[in-house]
Amino acid sequence: DGGITQSPKYLFRKEGQNVTLSCEQNLNHDAMYWYRQDPGQGLRLIYYSQIVNDFQKGDIAEGYSVSREKKESFPLTVTSAQKNPTAFYLCASKGGLSTDTQYFGPGTRLTVL
Amino acid sequence: AQSVTQLGSHVSVSEGALVLLRCNYSSSVPPYLFWYVQYPNQGLQLLLKYTSAATLVKGINGFEAEFKKSETSFHLTKPSAHMSDAAEYFCAVPLGSQGNLIFGKGTKLSVKP
Repeated sequence: DGGITQSPKYLFRKEGQNVTLSCEQNLNHDAMYWYRQDPGQGLRLIYYSQIVNDFQKGDIAEGYSVSREKKESFPLTVTSAQKNPTAFYLCASKGGLSTDTQYFGPGTRLTVL
Repeated sequence: AQSVTQLGSHVSVSEGALVLLRCNYSSSVPPYLFWYVQYPNQGLQLLLKYTSAATLVKGINGFEAEFKKSETSFHLTKPSAHMSDAAEYFCAVPLGSQGNLIFGKGTKLSVKP
């Protein structure tokens, strides 16, 4: 089955700890995205990558870091510098054309205690 | 700059009633627009995509949307609501040439029996 997987589904961490969220796709898509979702806020773009070994900051990149060493993988690290990390995190991927559709993974709910 | 507005953060309808969810874009005519649906604790699923080939776009689950340039709108409709339609709906428009999307804040649809 082709698709996007995110793991884990639920993640609990203590304040001050870094945590890495996994995103893998087997759709052979060039572009990958990380969004943060808070109630009533819609989706806000954290980072995106159009090609392997390259990525750009989105609207709310502070306190987050990413890597894109493989086409199919785009992990997101939530660092201790992120002031309010508790949220629902969504990963998406898209083909190489600007008009291609973004497809989403199932999401990871991060709770910082 | 492009932005997207979804009027009404919550919409409640009775089962069998018409569903109307509103989306307006702010700026130049976008080449394409999306409606996505999100069920609780899940990722976003593509409902439909407008690509300028036709102003009336049919999507999954009986939904359709009409692009109206004069009204800068792309409202989502379904003639008869079903309990399974209860979810949150997001409108999205492209921002820039790379295919990044800007999302509305979402409309949560409730369906009463």
